[in-house]
Amino acid sequence: DGGITQSPKYLFRKEGQNVTLSCEQNLNHDAMYWYRQDPGQGLRLIYYSQIVNDFQKGDIAEGYSVSREKKESFPLTVTSAQKNPTAFYLCASRRSKMETQYFGPGTRLLVL
Amino acid sequence: AQTVTQSQPEMSVQEAETVTLSCTYDTSESDYYLFWYKQPPSRQMILVIRQEAYKQQNATENRFSVNFQKAAKSFSLKISDSQLGDAAMYFCAYRSLGGTSYGKLTFGQGTILTVHP
Repeated sequence: DGGITQSPKYLFRKEGQNVTLSCEQNLNHDAMYWYRQDPGQGLRLIYYSQIVNDFQKGDIAEGYSVSREKKESFPLTVTSAQKNPTAFYLCASRRSKMETQYFGPGTRLLVL
Repeated sequence: AQTVTQSQPEMSVQEAETVTLSCTYDTSESDYYLFWYKQPPSRQMILVIRQEAYKQQNATENRFSVNFQKAAKSFSLKISDSQLGDAAMYFCAYRSLGGTSYGKLTFGQGTILTVHP
């Protein structure tokens, strides 16, 4: 079954804690993206990666980090430097520049 | 930088009727893609329809069609024969095809669509 998976569905973070959100795709897509969605708003780009071992900051990268060691995987770490991490996080991927982005089911991050 | 504006925070429609959602965008580019995504209560982002700017013909996908007015920078979505399952948040999105764009999507603020039985 091909697609994009994100885990966990819900994640709770304590103050000062780093947490990592998983994103995996088996679509053989080259590019992967992380977006953040706040209530009642559109999505904003955090980080993106076009190839393995390469990634770039998006519009709101402060307080976040990523890695791209495998084509299939693009985990996002929300660090303690991100002071307002409560949001819905969506991962997306696309095969090539002319192709459409497809999204995973998302992870809801809440701060305890 | 490109911007996308959806001026209707909420819309409602009766089942089986037609509704149009508005979207305008600002860009200096001549070639780009436009999208409508649907986000139901599950929060999964689902592609509804895509329009390439170089195509004059408006895109259509079953009950969904767009009115793409390039000169006016307008991209509205028409939903015909509305169904209860169409109830969702709808987002308009812009994608540059420029070399440094990295395929980034710029989203509008969204329109909540309610379908009344």
